[in-house]
This record gives sequence, structure tokens and C-alpha cells, in this order.
Amino acid sequence: DSGVTQTPKHLITATGQRVTLRCSPRSGDLSVYWYQQSLDQGLQFLIQYYNGEERAKGNILERFSAQQFPDLHSELNLSSLELGDSALYFCASSVDPRPGQGNYGYTFGSGTRLTVV
Amino acid sequence: AQTVTQSQPEMSVQEAETVTLSCTYDTSESDYYLFWYKQPPSRQMILVIRQEAYKQQNATENRFSVNFQKAAKSFSLKISDSQLGDAAMYFCASNTDKLIFGTGTRLQVFP
Repeated sequence: DSGVTQTPKHLITATGQRVTLRCSPRSGDLSVYWYQQSLDQGLQFLIQYYNGEERAKGNILERFSAQQFPDLHSELNLSSLELGDSALYFCASSVDPRPGQGNYGYTFGSGTRLTVV
Repeated sequence: AQTVTQSQPEMSVQEAETVTLSCTYDTSESDYYLFWYKQPPSRQMILVIRQEAYKQQNATENRFSVNFQKAAKSFSLKISDSQLGDAAMYFCASNTDKLIFGTGTRLQVFP
């Protein structure tokens, strides 16, 4: 157990639907990061939050949004889902001595596998 | 912009032998960190080793070591005494304000 909890582990939904993925960071970590990994691909950075505020944005579609709550858990919302959104979505957290610096490496959750049919 | 390149889509090694996985990166920052992550079939992302760019000494973690060539922006991973459990996807990553990954190298280990 890495300490980063992602729910649900699996999700199957239809095109056009909306889903919410949840992440609880490791205790003490203030930064949360979301990544998308399509089949046999690398990890694409989507978005980063630090202590409730958005810090960095990657190649995140406008149909996707995220937020980090006061208790530091984060949610990734995916709407108007398309077949191409099927992927493994990872959440990671880190101890950031300075905002934006994940110096100690990121701890990853086990991912949510999203299948859009 | 940060970029990370892994030019070896697949590598194979005999059990107990040594293998080196290549990685090059590009960043305009002077303060950054480099990582190797392992992704076994379970798809869990596992940190293997990290290197601070300001340190000249190459990082070592048991059978895993890196060859960090800062001027060449090269960061290769050497796995010594390879074991069957080392079979996985290996991702190189660089971090300034966010962690950017390469496309990965699939390592096969043969008995």
C-alpha cells in the first residue's frame, strides 16, 4: 500500500456520460497530481494542485476538470466521455518542501481504470 | 519546456546479467531532479531511484544505479544481477515544477 488511495479501481461507462475519480493523498503530502495513461503509452501529466490551489496544467482537455478540497483529497471530473478517454488514470502525491518542487519523487496510487463503451 | 526521451521501446536480458536502459532529457532549469519508475504488470508505479541534478555522484540503490551525465543530459539506468521480478516497463522522468515521463522501455528478463 503506497498510502495514496484512488477510488474506484474500475469504472465502465457509456459515451457522453460524466464520471468522478477520487484521490486521497499520502498523509502529510500537500501536492496532488493527475496523470492519464492510455494503453501501452507513457503517462501524460494532466494537472497539479498544491494545498487546494491549482499549480500547473498539462494537456488536460476542457471536458476534464479537477479540484483539491480542504482535507487535501482531490477529484478529477471527466465529462462528455468519448471512447478515446478510456485509460488508466493515476493520482500521485508528494511532500513539497517548496511549492512546485516534487523533490522526493511522487508516490502513486494504484490507478482507476476507465473504460468508455 | 521539459522533454524526456527513451529511445529503446524494448530490451531483454538474461537472468543474473546486467542491462542498461537509456534516457535523455532536456530542460532549461538548473535545479531539477531525475527519476526512474518501474511499472510491473500490476500497473503500479514504483519509484526505483532518484538523482538530484546538483549532485555529481551517481545514485545507487542496491542492484540499481544510474549514469548521470549532466552536460550530455543523459540519465541511464543500470540493473545488475537481473532477476525475473525486474521484468516491467521502466519510465524515466524529470522534474522541475512537474514530473514529465518518457515513453518507457519494456524490459524482459529470460531465465
